[in-house]
Amino acid sequence: QQQVKQSPQSLIVQKGGISIINCAYENTAFDYFPWYQQFPGKGPALLIAIRPDVSEKKEGRFTISFNKSAKQFSLHIMDSQPGDSATYFCAANGMTTDSWGKFQFGAGTQVVVTP
Amino acid sequence: DAGITQSPRHKVTETGTPVTLRCHQTENHRYMYWYRQDPGHGLRLIHYSYGVKDTDKGEVSDGYSVSRSKTEDFLLTLESATSSQTSVYFCAARRTGDNEKLFFGSGTQLSVL
Repeated sequence: QQQVKQSPQSLIVQKGGISIINCAYENTAFDYFPWYQQFPGKGPALLIAIRPDVSEKKEGRFTISFNKSAKQFSLHIMDSQPGDSATYFCAANGMTTDSWGKFQFGAGTQVVVTP
Repeated sequence: DAGITQSPRHKVTETGTPVTLRCHQTENHRYMYWYRQDPGHGLRLIHYSYGVKDTDKGEVSDGYSVSRSKTEDFLLTLESATSSQTSVYFCAARRTGDNEKLFFGSGTQLSVL
């Protein structure tokens, strides 16, 4: 079963706008929540990651918001640029007997930033 | 980065034939992974390895086997390819610790006819 649920499946945003992607997880043992960015024909690459001891992490125009009680986390892309057009994956990992090291990924969100 | 090289980049094969995909890393990471990527499903774990000759199944392991005889090489074998195994396959190596990160290869596009 999919342990990390990601939405929306796709979104279109105008240049300068804010893109928001949401993920929800089930396993409370997860303790590492990365976001990966993938361009066509390439492998995913780490964009930003958070651990549950903080509620927010910002790197440039990218911010992760984390809500431990709701078991949800989201990626915000501020001032979206055409170069941000890509597929974004959330993921979760944790030190449990059934999920240790296995990195559960969401289904992905295709983001298109229009000029 | 971890210098992940996958081969081949593209392959077309026929149903019932065995296929082996190769992954090579240059950074001596202990953990390596094989994922398949399909529209609407994201990245699904096939098998992973936590050391030489130490492997375990992921969520979609049926029809696949792996081997890791050296730290740097992780092989994925489709024992008897089926059309449902047409997909893009990604290998990854994991850096652990405070700067935890998965390094992905560029993928192998496999078509089973």
